[in-house]
Amino acid sequence: GESVGLHLPTLSVQEGDNSIINCAYSNSASDYFIWYKQESGKGPQFIIDIRSNMDKRQGQRVTVLLNKTVKHLSLQIAATQPGDSAVYFCAEGSKSFQKLVFGTGTRLLVSP
Amino acid sequence: DGGITQSPKYLFRKEGQNVTLSCEQNLNHDAMYWYRQDPGQGLRLIYYSQIVNDFQKGDIAEGYSVSREKKESFPLTVTSAQKNPTAFYLCASLDRDEAFFGQGTRLTVV
Repeated sequence: GESVGLHLPTLSVQEGDNSIINCAYSNSASDYFIWYKQESGKGPQFIIDIRSNMDKRQGQRVTVLLNKTVKHLSLQIAATQPGDSAVYFCAEGSKSFQKLVFGTGTRLLVSP
Repeated sequence: DGGITQSPKYLFRKEGQNVTLSCEQNLNHDAMYWYRQDPGQGLRLIYYSQIVNDFQKGDIAEGYSVSREKKESFPLTVTSAQKNPTAFYLCASLDRDEAFFGQGTRLTVV
């Protein structure tokens, strides 16, 4: 399958640190990528997206980097706060295969 | 307000029963998706639909069925053939590049 039912890796950081969450995507034909945040018991929420013609995109406290050569995506969160604690998923999509495929996710734990 | 509504929030199913999870959106999106999430794991695609009266199997479609008779509705039926249905089910709709999610339905077999 395109996403695997593995247990989530966890990233633990201190409040105020910068966090970097990584994602390896599977399809070189994917042309847009999205990061989602999922809090416990809730549906995922959109954070930021990036198209394949870009290497970097910045939002409020977040930056997404795309390296198409190695099919790697990262989400950087500046000055991480306890409210950032959640599971973060990357998703890849393409008009040609017409579906959104999710990565396995990373759990971010922020300690005060 | 525009959005996606899933119901019910919690659902209990007896062994051998079929149950249907509702997903409604008023965003006028063409594409809708159903995902399954098991505890501590990622999202796995069950079915998706790009347009009314058409849908495609995802990675784990066995034991599930869907219909797309209206643009705003994409119900998922968990059939008795699904041997391990206890999970969190998420519905999403897609507009261009952004997916909007419902708040999920937690299904438990009793």
